[in-house]
Amino acid sequence: SQQGEEDPQALSIQEGENATMNCSYKTSINNLQWYRQNSGRGLVHLILIRSNEREKHSGRLRVTLDTSKKSSSLLITASRAADTASYFCATLRTSGSRLTFGEGTQLTVNP
Amino acid sequence: DTEVTQTPKHLVMGMTNKKSLKCEQHMGHRAMYWYKQKAKKPPELMFVYSYEKLSINESVPSRFSPECPNSSLLNLHLHALQPEDSALYLCASSPSRGTVYNEQFFGPGTRLTVL
Repeated sequence: SQQGEEDPQALSIQEGENATMNCSYKTSINNLQWYRQNSGRGLVHLILIRSNEREKHSGRLRVTLDTSKKSSSLLITASRAADTASYFCATLRTSGSRLTFGEGTQLTVNP
Repeated sequence: DTEVTQTPKHLVMGMTNKKSLKCEQHMGHRAMYWYKQKAKKPPELMFVYSYEKLSINESVPSRFSPECPNSSLLNLHLHALQPEDSALYLCASSPSRGTVYNEQFFGPGTRLTVL
């Protein structure tokens, strides 16, 4: 089964609004990463948060990690049409050496 | 150079064909990966190379054969594929020292169609 589960599966918002995506996982992790994928293209790394970190910022992105709840959230502020993409969380388990991707959230930002 | 390149972008092959996918990076990364991605699904790991040695094979059928000729190149040889193998094949690399702790850099993928 997938290590990461994301919700919502799909999110549609207007330009300028904030978008929040959530990721839950099952086992202990070393770090959690968020990636973006434009339709049919490769993935682009957005941000990495380690298990001993609670919050991280990068530009308009804010990621939180709650290891007690085994969950993370990605907030995109002041969204733009160009943010339209699929967003995946990926976890690196403490006992493993591979990333496991969640099912992804399809974000649509309407101009 | 901070990108991973993949060729070809698109590939259509019959079930009896032999073809190869190529991946190249010049970032000095020592870990390279092959993923398979079906439509609207997350990438699934197939193989991991660390320092040009195969370190992970996710029980991939033998009709997929990876090869890492040097630290910059990664190939995936395809033979006798099935229509269900049609997917986007993604290559990635990371600045690993033998374990995966870092972000991965992905190529744009090869869209494979098996007829």
